[in-house]
Amino acid sequence: DAGVIQSPRHEVTEMGQEVTLRCKPISGHNSLFWYRQTMMRGLELLIYFNNNVPIDDSGMPEDRFSAKMPNASFSTLKIQPSEPRDSAVYFCASRGVSGANVLTFGAGSRLTVL
Amino acid sequence: AQSVSQHNHHVILSEAASLELGCNYSYGGTVNLFWYVQYPGQHLQLLLKYFSGDPLVKGIKGFEAEFIKSKFSFNLRKPSVQWSDTAEYFCAVSYNNNDMRFGAGTRLTVKP
Repeated sequence: DAGVIQSPRHEVTEMGQEVTLRCKPISGHNSLFWYRQTMMRGLELLIYFNNNVPIDDSGMPEDRFSAKMPNASFSTLKIQPSEPRDSAVYFCASRGVSGANVLTFGAGSRLTVL
Repeated sequence: AQSVSQHNHHVILSEAASLELGCNYSYGGTVNLFWYVQYPGQHLQLLLKYFSGDPLVKGIKGFEAEFIKSKFSFNLRKPSVQWSDTAEYFCAVSYNNNDMRFGAGTRLTVKP
């Protein structure tokens, strides 16, 4: 298995633009997590899905952020409009039913909003 | 709200020194406990985990952690660190086998 695949790896955009980050979880995993990592706040849980259903989105900063999981093999995190304070590394992670509650992380998407 | 606290933001050690990184969590029912490591430029990887049983857990690369239920703690230890242990270390807690919350991380710098 190729692991959790995230794209893009790096994105630089201007304030006000829409940003879409993508994640492909490990095949067979039924839970998917989005995290944001910054120097100031560490690793924050934004949202997680079980069986494609959002379970807890209380970590989503504000309405500018939205996440979807239309099927078991794909999820998106969208920021519209983006702001400089959204600059961070966004990680996706997945977990299997029999995975002993262990997350497997993707390589992350580094977002810079100018 | 459930939370995870890591006491040290940045730790600097010389090679062969002993390491202990603190982690405390707020109580919220059944918990699974983890330590993840993030080497420079890489993504997070599992170092060790505790679900039940022996509260002293052995992980990879000589790391271990001890779950002390009465103190809501899960401290990470290594008797003798190496330069290659330079990384950021994250404590994580899963409550009732659902979400996974991470601490703010501790940056470890090992001087050769």
